[in-house]
Amino acid sequence: DTGVSQDPRHKITKRGQNVTFRCDPISEHNRLYWYRQTLGQGPEFLTYFQNEAQLEKSRLLSDRFSAERPKGSFSTLEIQRTEQGDSAMYLCASSLTRTGTPTDTQYFGPGTRLTVL
Amino acid sequence: AQSVSQHNHHVILSEAASLELGCNYSYGGTVNLFWYVQYPGQHLQLLLKYFSGDPLVKGIKGFEAEFIKSKFSFNLRKPSVQWSDTAEYFCAVTQYSSASKIIFGSGTRLSIRP
Repeated sequence: DTGVSQDPRHKITKRGQNVTFRCDPISEHNRLYWYRQTLGQGPEFLTYFQNEAQLEKSRLLSDRFSAERPKGSFSTLEIQRTEQGDSAMYLCASSLTRTGTPTDTQYFGPGTRLTVL
Repeated sequence: AQSVSQHNHHVILSEAASLELGCNYSYGGTVNLFWYVQYPGQHLQLLLKYFSGDPLVKGIKGFEAEFIKSKFSFNLRKPSVQWSDTAEYFCAVTQYSSASKIIFGSGTRLSIRP
């Protein structure tokens, strides 16, 4: 059973550096989501894709954040000029959504834990 | 804006005790409701979900939840907990019409004394 995978699992970086995370969704899932989770909180939505199209972005996603899903399969999330406040767990999820059926279930990956020093 | 409130931040129970975790949501339209669980060192897993129909939903590992529309609540229950139920539990909601982003509560940490 191949679930959602994320790479790397842990990333330590210095303030001001750029980082990139990768997410591989469950194959044939057409939607892919990014969330951020800080200690003691539930995950917060960042953005999502349907196939290649980025359909929604949260106000949490500042200009330093960019996400892509170039071929409708894997996705990358890049953070430029990292700040200490970016330290969090970054979660990816995927789902299979059929038109007219708003009942998809999102399946989550293990997350990438980012620490900005 | 949608929001989800979980009033219990940390619950400590002995094995075989009954469990009820509270969840209230704020949204005027039709919603999908979820409980996710995160066991220590593991990723978020779906415990159960409500989309429509019978408001009493049964999930994995003996968990169930009841959707009470008039109270905007979706409380999680289990009649007899086990040590292996130690985990963080998240209540969550999506809009029925779009079913895109999930709004999560802040979570309830459940600790079970053996």
